Amino acid sequence: QVQLVQSGAEVKKPGASVRVSCTASGYTVTNYYIQWVRQAPGQGLEWMGIIDPRGTSTTYAQRFQGRVTMTRDTSTGTVYMELRSLRSDDTAVYYCARRTNGFDIWGQGTMVTVSS
Amino acid sequence: DIQMTQSPSTLSASVGDSVTITCRASQSVDVWLAWYQQKPGRAPKPLIYRASTLESGVPSRFSGSGSGTEFTLTITSLQSDDFATYYCQEFETYTFGQGTKLENK
Repeated sequence: QVQLVQSGAEVKKPGASVRVSCTASGYTVTNYYIQWVRQAPGQGLEWMGIIDPRGTSTTYAQRFQGRVTMTRDTSTGTVYMELRSLRSDDTAVYYCARRTNGFDIWGQGTMVTVSS
Repeated sequence: DIQMTQSPSTLSASVGDSVTITCRASQSVDVWLAWYQQKPGRAPKPLIYRASTLESGVPSRFSGSGSGTEFTLTITSLQSDDFATYYCQEFETYTFGQGTKLENK
């Protein structure tokens, strides 16, 4: 079964960093782009960035430039999203999704709570 | 960045109705647009890619059309399972629309 499995919920203090993982199973991870999207409570979907199949190229949304890093480990089939200098308004569910024609497979989401 | 404007923000309809949601882009995205359905507490479910192609397993009562800057998602013969929030996403800068909540009248 083709799926993306994300790491578990995180609680962080303001100023800290968080790293969320997204592991692919049932397909070869190096063949596909992966995007990261977040959704604050009660809000819409916000695009954060995308990483190419081999992890050599990334594109980030301007508002996250300098604060986010997306990487991938092709040996384990895992993609990572690290967000630094966390603020309370970074509290959200973070999703990864695989691109084929569209973004057809999504992870289950990871809740990140930023609170002092 | 490209701005995506969805309308309406909220749509009230009944089972059996047909509804249309519109997504407008601030500049042309050709046919590079997708539609998603999302229910509370769940990840988005892809419905349509490349403006009009249904993802595998999506019922034929869903259809998409458009190109350039204006796109529509139409759902015919609404089922109870269709009440959800719908988003468009363009594939030039990957911006999402703000969402349309389809609620049961």
